[in-house]
Amino acid sequence: ELKVEQNPLFLSMQEGKNYTIYCNYSTTSDRLYWYRQDPGKSLESLFVLLSNGAVKQEGRLMASLDTKARLSTLHITAAVHDLSATYFCAVDRTSYGKLTFGQGTILTVHP
Amino acid sequence: DTAVSQTPKYLVTQMGNDKSIKCEQNLGHDTMYWYKQDSKKFLKIMFSYNNKELIINETVPNRFSPKSPDKAHLNLHINSLELGDSAVYFCASSPGGPGENYEQYFGPGTRLTVT
Repeated sequence: ELKVEQNPLFLSMQEGKNYTIYCNYSTTSDRLYWYRQDPGKSLESLFVLLSNGAVKQEGRLMASLDTKARLSTLHITAAVHDLSATYFCAVDRTSYGKLTFGQGTILTVHP
Repeated sequence: DTAVSQTPKYLVTQMGNDKSIKCEQNLGHDTMYWYKQDSKKFLKIMFSYNNKELIINETVPNRFSPKSPDKAHLNLHINSLELGDSAVYFCASSPGGPGENYEQYFGPGTRLTVT
């Protein structure tokens, strides 16, 4: 059974600082997705990583995938308050979109 | 021009009742999904349909039954509601197709409260 684990689960950051969220998964996959969820809202797709070594960047967020280590990272650069949200990684080891989600990382950015 | 829409947004009902949640997508996607998000924010897939065909059917009680009248709609019917069914239910869709990118687009969610 595929297990997806994120750490940390809670992250309190100061504005302007850098940090990384880690997503480990237990079985081989080369399809990994990152989502953002604001309180009481839906999930917004951030990154789609579909091969080993894939790196995607959008604004202050950068995601990478190492399929050999079964690890994805979401790096936050110079955090701002607007990045406060819950971040989920999700892994698909099927060929039809059966996503297994991590527990989510609650990120709070404060002045 | 909402991409994935769900109705209702909130649903409060008593134990034992039967209720339905509707989902529609206007993205032209072939695959649709139902997820349950519990009080700890954990997301778990329940069902998926590809072009009206059931392709994912996770271990959920038989009281939950999905129905897809066409590829743009996926409804969720729940019989004999229980307290433990209280959660947020998300519908999602993706372009789909074997070997393709299954990036999923989520609806706004339906918060179900069973009293």
